[in-house]
Amino acid sequence: GENVEQHPSTLSVQEGDSAVIKCTYSDSASNYFPWYKQELGKRPQLIIDIRSNVGEKKDQRIAVTLNKTAKHFSLHITETQPEDSAVYFCAANQAGTALIFGKGTTLSVSS
Amino acid sequence: EAQVTQNPRYLITVTGKKLTVTCSQNMNHEYMSWYRQDPGLGLRQIYYSMNVEVTDKGDVPEGYKVSRKEKRNFPLILESPSPNQTSLYFCASSMTQGGAGTQYFGPGTRLTVL
Repeated sequence: GENVEQHPSTLSVQEGDSAVIKCTYSDSASNYFPWYKQELGKRPQLIIDIRSNVGEKKDQRIAVTLNKTAKHFSLHITETQPEDSAVYFCAANQAGTALIFGKGTTLSVSS
Repeated sequence: EAQVTQNPRYLITVTGKKLTVTCSQNMNHEYMSWYRQDPGLGLRQIYYSMNVEVTDKGDVPEGYKVSRKEKRNFPLILESPSPNQTSLYFCASSMTQGGAGTQYFGPGTRLTVL
């Protein structure tokens, strides 16, 4: 089955800096790669996703890139703000049945 | 308001006492699933359901049961809870099968088994 590795597990940046979180996946059949943000005490919420027919997708300060050949995808957050502090999860779909999540990255943005 | 609801939100119980966590969605989604979240382990899928009366095991199904008698409801049943099932549980639903689309999560149920 699908296996998703996520790095780093923790990331600390200064406000205004960029943050990058990287994930690798194992199943070449996976074709959907979402990113979820979970604020403290809250439920995970989708922030951006990408499908395998696209190499990059942007939404304001957030972007995701996908390298199908290398089987990795990354989340890029520019001009970070304190409200970006949260746990971020990457995921990949498996064989049309499930979403397999990475273990999460705790991002801390200090002002 | 489109939403996924779970009850109870918090539960403390003892080993072996059967319990049910309810999950309901009002978005007419066919796909529903249960996850548990443990520190350092991320979100792991317990069970999922493609449609009414269709359920299947996720990565960590041991000790859990589910049922899907109606489209909107997907309860999680722990027949004989054990301390290693202490965790934060999330129900989620999606209009897209197989997790290939936005999953809407419920607010979570924090379960402690003593």
